[in-house]
Amino acid sequence: DAGVIQSPRHEVTEMGQEVTLRCKPISGHDYLFWYRQTMMRGLELLIYFNNNVPIDDSGMPEDRFSAKMPNASFSTLKIQPSEPRDSAVYFCASSSMEQVWYFGPGTRLLVL
Amino acid sequence: GENVEQHPSTLSVQEGDSAVIKCTYSDSASNYFPWYKQELGKRPQLIIDIRSNVGEKKDQRIAVTLNKTAKHFSLHITETQPEDSAVYFCAATPGSASKIIFGSGTRLSIRP
Repeated sequence: DAGVIQSPRHEVTEMGQEVTLRCKPISGHDYLFWYRQTMMRGLELLIYFNNNVPIDDSGMPEDRFSAKMPNASFSTLKIQPSEPRDSAVYFCASSSMEQVWYFGPGTRLLVL
Repeated sequence: GENVEQHPSTLSVQEGDSAVIKCTYSDSASNYFPWYKQELGKRPQLIIDIRSNVGEKKDQRIAVTLNKTAKHFSLHITETQPEDSAVYFCAATPGSASKIIFGSGTRLSIRP
């Protein structure tokens, strides 16, 4: 298995633009998580899905952030409009009931 | 909700010496405690984990101990090597068993 796949790996955009981050979980994993990592806040859980259904989005910072999981092999995290304070590394992770979380390589986002 | 506190935030040890990182958690229903290592620019990767029915687990130079009564768990690295330099995160899963809460991280530096 290729592991959790994320794209793009790097994204530079201007304030106000829409940003879409993509994730493909490990096949067979029924949980998918989106995390944001910054120096100030560490690893923050934004939202997680179980069987494609959003379970807890209490970590989503504000309405500018949205996440979808249309099927078991694909999820997106969208920021619209983006702001400089959204600059961070965004990780996607997946797991099964065995509770071992596997992280993707992350997307490094820079909003100018 | 669950809260995980991790200490120290930075740790510098002489190569060959031992390193200890400590974490406390708040939710007594938490039952799974993984430790992740994150090298610079890389994703967090699982290095060892422990479940609430076990008090100690060892894997070569790495060991984790769990004290459920006191709600704390620790990572021990013996005979430290330069490649152990990284940020280490402890984590705990609350009773829902589907959401992982990370500590704030410990930056470990190994002095040659």
